[in-house]
Amino acid sequence: DIQMTQSPSSLSASVGDRVTITCRASQSISSYLNWYQQKPGKVPKVLIYAASSLQSGVPSRFSGSGSGTDFTLTISSLQPEDFATYYCQQSYSIPRTFGQGTKVEIK
Amino acid sequence: QVQLQESGPGLVKPSGTLSLTCAVSGGSISSTNWWSWVRQPPGKGLEWIGEIYHSGSTNYNPSLKSRVTISVDKSKNQFSLKLSSVTAADTAVYYCARPTVTHGCWYFDLWGRGTLVTVSS
Repeated sequence: DIQMTQSPSSLSASVGDRVTITCRASQSISSYLNWYQQKPGKVPKVLIYAASSLQSGVPSRFSGSGSGTDFTLTISSLQPEDFATYYCQQSYSIPRTFGQGTKVEIK
Repeated sequence: QVQLQESGPGLVKPSGTLSLTCAVSGGSISSTNWWSWVRQPPGKGLEWIGEIYHSGSTNYNPSLKSRVTISVDKSKNQFSLKLSSVTAADTAVYYCARPTVTHGCWYFDLWGRGTLVTVSS
């Protein structure tokens, strides 16, 4: 199995801050990396697919980059509705594994 | 638009079998899609369980493979999950989901609302 490791596990930030979350794969996954946002009690929502493609309807303050084993999700200016848990997920191979999540909290 | 809805018992006894169904509405399960199950224990992260194509081809998470069966019923436009020999560790919100493939990358862009299954006597 490919292990996905996110860092940090949690962070505190203020509205307007630039936030970066990192995801590292245990082996190369090319660009087969997706990012999801999940709010408490809600269904996960895809933000970024194929490492850097913005899903339709997702605000442009979200961006993704990386390839191989190292990837980042960046929120350019944190908004109140962005406080949530973020997960990366690889689709390079079966099983389709997720990172452990990064919780973004209000500072 | 396509919607997914999970259904099934919310409480299963230890050593029993968890059975869930995902009804697909607004579209055909025989479309060019795979159909998946993902679970999330309370307060924890997401775990992919497995997937099925309308032809019946399946892929399972090796960690669960010996206990999991995913099947499709095209006449009812639904697919199902069975997980046997459950323990408290199988307590989770179970989601059905539909992956989309773009640029060769699979991502889950459609989810059911999820259903909590508790394993307890």
